[in-house]
Amino acid sequence: QQQVKQSPQSLIVQKGGISIINCAYENTAFDYFPWYQQFPGKGPALLIAIRPDVSEKKEGRFTISFNKSAKQFSLHIMDSQPGDSATYFCAASGGTYKYIFGTGTRLKVLA
Amino acid sequence: NAGVMQNPRHLVRRRGQEARLRCSPMKGHSHVYWYRQLPEEGLKFMVYLQKENIIDESGMPKERFSAEFPKEGPSILRIQQVVRGDSAAYFCASSPPTGQGNSPLHFGNGTRLTVT
Repeated sequence: QQQVKQSPQSLIVQKGGISIINCAYENTAFDYFPWYQQFPGKGPALLIAIRPDVSEKKEGRFTISFNKSAKQFSLHIMDSQPGDSATYFCAASGGTYKYIFGTGTRLKVLA
Repeated sequence: NAGVMQNPRHLVRRRGQEARLRCSPMKGHSHVYWYRQLPEEGLKFMVYLQKENIIDESGMPKERFSAEFPKEGPSILRIQQVVRGDSAAYFCASSPPTGQGNSPLHFGNGTRLTVT
């Protein structure tokens, strides 16, 4: 299966809270999992990415957790800020150039 | 160090007209990809090109859509005889020539096509 299922569709978090977005995949050939952030009117921008040889990757306030056996990965945004309000997409690829994108999560961080 | 440049940013066409979307990849990038994004949906792969070659067009509709990446100049996504269902944001991405896959894709800001 080539789908990547993303949830929730939308998320509202208080400033300073933790935002958690989840993705699940079926294809065990996937071996690269990037997260993209997209602001209205802009293109997706690479935020952070992980490969299945590690279970967690952290960059600043953004952390990817990866569970290979469950075929799930998630994005955690610590100390969420209003400036983090955007749409977040997970994606997966398997040694090819084709990224399979999730359907996106619209995050709103309340001031 | 310019990023991926797409133009126009907005394009309005009447049904039956042609739409031409242009993309200049990042400097040093020779791989170009086109994705389509419908409202409230993720991005769907359309086509992958290298200079003068179409590598994979499996995501492109069989009719009316074509893409090219000439030796000189930008990549062009061409939609002939547009219909309302073609209204979407079209994003171009590029990556460096580092091998088969798993190169981070860098996206442009897209062209928003509206068909009236």
